Amino acid sequence: DTEVTQTPKHLVMGMTNKKSLKCEQHMGHRAMYWYKQKAKKPPELMFVYSYEKLSINESVPSRFSPECPNSSLLNLHLHALQPEDSALYLCASSQDGLGNYGYTFGSGTRLTVV
Amino acid sequence: KQEVTQIPAALSVPEGENLVLNCSFTDSAIYNLQWFRQDPGKGLTSLLLIQSSQREQTSGRLNASLDKSSGRSTLYIAASQPGDSATYLCAVRPGGSNYKLTFGKGTLLTVNP
Repeated sequence: DTEVTQTPKHLVMGMTNKKSLKCEQHMGHRAMYWYKQKAKKPPELMFVYSYEKLSINESVPSRFSPECPNSSLLNLHLHALQPEDSALYLCASSQDGLGNYGYTFGSGTRLTVV
Repeated sequence: KQEVTQIPAALSVPEGENLVLNCSFTDSAIYNLQWFRQDPGKGLTSLLLIQSSQREQTSGRLNASLDKSSGRSTLYIAASQPGDSATYLCAVRPGGSNYKLTFGKGTLLTVNP
């Protein structure tokens, strides 16, 4: 298995809802990442988990809450989002915690906040 | 601060042409460089990874080169096909302890049948 799997593919949520995005990999990679991508822009790093510990938080608002239950799973919990949070959310993984062997990205979750 | 520039921003070619996409970076102290392909509304697909000690990597019709000293990488696509139409992103992994990827803004490639 050489994939990063993200669910759901599409999500529409209201500003008062709570939802979660899920990411899974079975490549034995030890680091997992959340990126946010707006239209026609490159991905922007949000969080990094290395060996199941949060190692980087790029000053992301607290309405986004990451969780890494084990080395294969990464969640992003969403609460009280704003319409400007609508974007493509990408999960990625790397073999080590430094990206020395490149990155594998998932197919993304298209989030719309109404 | 590392900056990555991709030229051109958009490129339209007829099917069958060979083409080159360019990526330049300001700090030559990189660990590796990775080329990705992104279809509209989809995730990133890794095409080629070049480590800083390498000069080029090949996969099928794709060839990526790296000239670290001049801060440049090129992605060569041979015999382009309509299915190659996508946005191509290059991303630099800096050297040292700062391992945050820096992306270029991408080149939107359209291959016309």
